[in-house]
Amino acid sequence: NAGVTQTPKFRVLKTGQSMTLLCAQDMNHEYMYWYRQDPGMGLRLIHYSVGEGTTAKGEVPDGYNVSRLKKQNFLLGLESAAPSQTSVYFCASSYASPPTYEQYFGPGTRLTVT
Amino acid sequence: AQSVTQLGSHVSVSEGALVLLRCNYSSSVPPYLFWYVQYPNQGLQLLLKYTTGATLVKGINGFEAEFKKSETSFHLTKPSAHMSDAAEYFCAVSDMNRDDKIIFGKGTRLHILP
Repeated sequence: NAGVTQTPKFRVLKTGQSMTLLCAQDMNHEYMYWYRQDPGMGLRLIHYSVGEGTTAKGEVPDGYNVSRLKKQNFLLGLESAAPSQTSVYFCASSYASPPTYEQYFGPGTRLTVT
Repeated sequence: AQSVTQLGSHVSVSEGALVLLRCNYSSSVPPYLFWYVQYPNQGLQLLLKYTTGATLVKGINGFEAEFKKSETSFHLTKPSAHMSDAAEYFCAVSDMNRDDKIIFGKGTRLHILP
């Protein structure tokens, strides 16, 4: 089992460029999440999904879009990158709702927008 | 709304000394509480969680936390710090009514002094 994997690990974008971050899990988990981590801010939820074909907004969804076309994949898109989106992005998944089932995190993607 | 406050963004303890990381929560309903650890350049992993039942919860690597409803606290302790405990620790809260999401605190970085 690879667990939760994230692609790419690092990326530098120029303002206005677009990109997609890929999260994949091989644990047959229903729930998947995208967080961003900024110094002194902890983890903030961007979007999440409670099953294939579903998505929902989290705490800081503006400027991001997501898709969950396949159960094992959760994509995070930046249509027009801004310097404020410079951050470390973490994907997580869980078998069902987190209080009962543990969230498993990926290793992160470090994104810099210049 | 739920929230978590972690007291101290940085805590330093000597190797072999007691580790105490403080977490206070706010929740209008019985909470589920978590501690996660993040080692450098890695994702988060679950240390321990409280859902119901025994208020003293034991986790991995010798850590434990006690749920105190009267104090709205869930402090993390370890009797004797080890160099390998140096990491960032996140307290988090969820509840039975909104159990799709976990709200994270801003984190406490633990430094171990030789």
